[in-house]
Amino acid sequence: QQQVKQSPQSLIVQKGGISIINCAYENTAFDYFPWYQQFPGKGPALLIAIRPDVSEKKEGRFTISFNKSAKQFSLHIMDSQPGDSATYFCAASGKYGGATNKLIFGTGTLLAVQP
Amino acid sequence: NAGVTQTPKFQVLKTGQSMTLQCAQDMNHEYMSWYRQDPGMGLRLIHYSVGAGITDQGEVPNGYNVSRSTTEDFPLRLLSAAPSQTSVYFCASSLQGASGNTIYFGEGSWLTVV
Repeated sequence: QQQVKQSPQSLIVQKGGISIINCAYENTAFDYFPWYQQFPGKGPALLIAIRPDVSEKKEGRFTISFNKSAKQFSLHIMDSQPGDSATYFCAASGKYGGATNKLIFGTGTLLAVQP
Repeated sequence: NAGVTQTPKFQVLKTGQSMTLQCAQDMNHEYMSWYRQDPGMGLRLIHYSVGAGITDQGEVPNGYNVSRSTTEDFPLRLLSAAPSQTSVYFCASSLQGASGNTIYFGEGSWLTVV
């Protein structure tokens, strides 16, 4: 059972466009929601993260929108560039006990930004 | 800055063979973990450690052993490799735990079991 559901599996966006990737979760004990970016042949790297006490967090062209009541969060990439082409993973971890040490990942979205 | 270093980068094993994937970090991180990445399944946590001498299971621990004798090293052992263990393995570390902390990943170890 996938605890963090991510969509779409793949996404093609034109240069300058907005890329949107969505994630949903069921476990209300999750309280930390990072996004990771992975280039081919490399390990994932933290892009941006949010906690559920805020509805939005922005860092440069990257924004997380968080809807606590719907248990959904999304990554928006503004002015998408070819260099943003990568696989993006959402993730979640809990706030109690052993759950704080377990980062649960979504299945990933392969983003291709066409020039 | 070495960060998280994994060896080997590539390995081919025969079914039933054993091997150890090595992981070392030089950031004095307390938390270390192992993930496997499979197409369409994202990254799944195998085992993790919150400090020397302390390890615990993740989502998919069967077929894997770990130990943590030092802060720096966290090896992953496959005792009797199976084709289902063909995957890309990532070691990761963070200052303390997964929640609220940046987790740094190694570059991966590609394992094929034939």
